[in-house]
Amino acid sequence: TQLLEQSPQFLSIQEGENLTVYCNSSSVFSSLQWYRQEPGEGPVLLVTVVTGGEVKKLKRLTFQFGDARKDSSLHITAAQPGDTGLYLCAGEYRDTGRRALTFGSGTRLQVQP
Amino acid sequence: DAGVIQSPRHEVTEMGQEVTLRCKPISGHDYLFWYRQTMMRGLELLIYFNNNVPIDDSGMPEDRFSAKMPNASFSTLKIQPSEPRDSAVYFCASSLGTTRAEQFFGPGTRLTVL
Repeated sequence: TQLLEQSPQFLSIQEGENLTVYCNSSSVFSSLQWYRQEPGEGPVLLVTVVTGGEVKKLKRLTFQFGDARKDSSLHITAAQPGDTGLYLCAGEYRDTGRRALTFGSGTRLQVQP
Repeated sequence: DAGVIQSPRHEVTEMGQEVTLRCKPISGHDYLFWYRQTMMRGLELLIYFNNNVPIDDSGMPEDRFSAKMPNASFSTLKIQPSEPRDSAVYFCASSLGTTRAEQFFGPGTRLTVL
């Protein structure tokens, strides 16, 4: 069974601060996604990373995939209250033959104005 | 496209009753997933279908849970009989097989079993 650990679990910061969320696994991902979930809604895809060492940017969000494809990070620059939500990483382990994603436990972010 | 549609959005029932949750995936998607989310256990995969066929149901908690997909545009998750520990938010998601497992989630059904 693959385990996907996220840290930190909770993060409360002031508007304008920077933060980084981490996602780690003992197994190699064939691809990894980051989702954001707001209260009362389903998770919404932010980005997919596939290649080891890949970096993708989405406005103030920077996503990095580890060289060995076992870890990923999400960095938010100058956080805003609108960034508040639950951030989930989800990995696809292609060697298992499953199409299903394994989700991390999530990082709950609150950005105070 | 309307996105993934789930109904009902909220369900309150008493222990022992049958509960049926419904999902309409995005048109053209060939994978459908059912998840359960709780504070304690996070987002857990229950079962997923490919082209209406169940592929992996290893996440289904026990025989009280069953899922069907009679056609490409409809799926149900049934709990019979329901128990208080089944209280959670249940999500349906769909994806297109040709992409890298990117999933599109519905708004969820919040189930409360008293």
